Amino acid sequence: DSGVTQTPKHLITATGQRVTLRCSPRSGDLSVYWYQQSLDQGLQFLIQYYNGEERAKGNILERFSAQQFPDLHSELNLSSLELGDSALYFCASAPSATLLEQYFGPGTRLTVT
Amino acid sequence: AQSVAQPEDQVNVAEGNPLTVKCTYSVSGNPYLFWYVQYPNRGLQFLLKYITGDNLVKGSYGFEAEFNKSQTSFHLKKPSALVSDSALYFCAVRDPTKGSARQLTFGSGTQLTVLP
Repeated sequence: DSGVTQTPKHLITATGQRVTLRCSPRSGDLSVYWYQQSLDQGLQFLIQYYNGEERAKGNILERFSAQQFPDLHSELNLSSLELGDSALYFCASAPSATLLEQYFGPGTRLTVT
Repeated sequence: AQSVAQPEDQVNVAEGNPLTVKCTYSVSGNPYLFWYVQYPNRGLQFLLKYITGDNLVKGSYGFEAEFNKSQTSFHLKKPSALVSDSALYFCAVRDPTKGSARQLTFGSGTQLTVLP
């Protein structure tokens, strides 16, 4: 168990809808990273937050947004969902912003029908 | 731009035999290199990293990796494979000279199957 929690574990929704994925980092970790894992795209970095501020952006679509709250938990918002957004979404946390090691949560499996 | 390649989608090895999972990378500076393992329906678990120093890095569960700068490789190895090592393995790279690129680039993954 990495100490990173993600809810929900599974999510099934329809095209055009909006969902929110939640991540609680390990105790004391200030950085949160979001990743998308799909069969065709592999594991892709989406976005990083450090102590409440956005630090780095990867291949995140404009329909997606994220934030990190004062208690350091993070939410990834996915809107106007398309079939191609079906994937595993992982969050990872790290103690600092320097990315020497990350601890991954179990993931949220999103299915868009 | 940084990139990493795992040339083998699948590696099969008999239990007790040595295993190697290959990884090559491309960065403009000296790389930070990582190996992660993913078991079915689980998140990724950190195995080991190379930042600087000894080219042979030892990690969790008896795994080790050798950094080879001239060949731009970071192959994962284990002297004696276990059936429980069967999983999906990811190599990842970060270019530390890119201050704004605070992200890891992952390879496509290699499915390791250890046969009893």
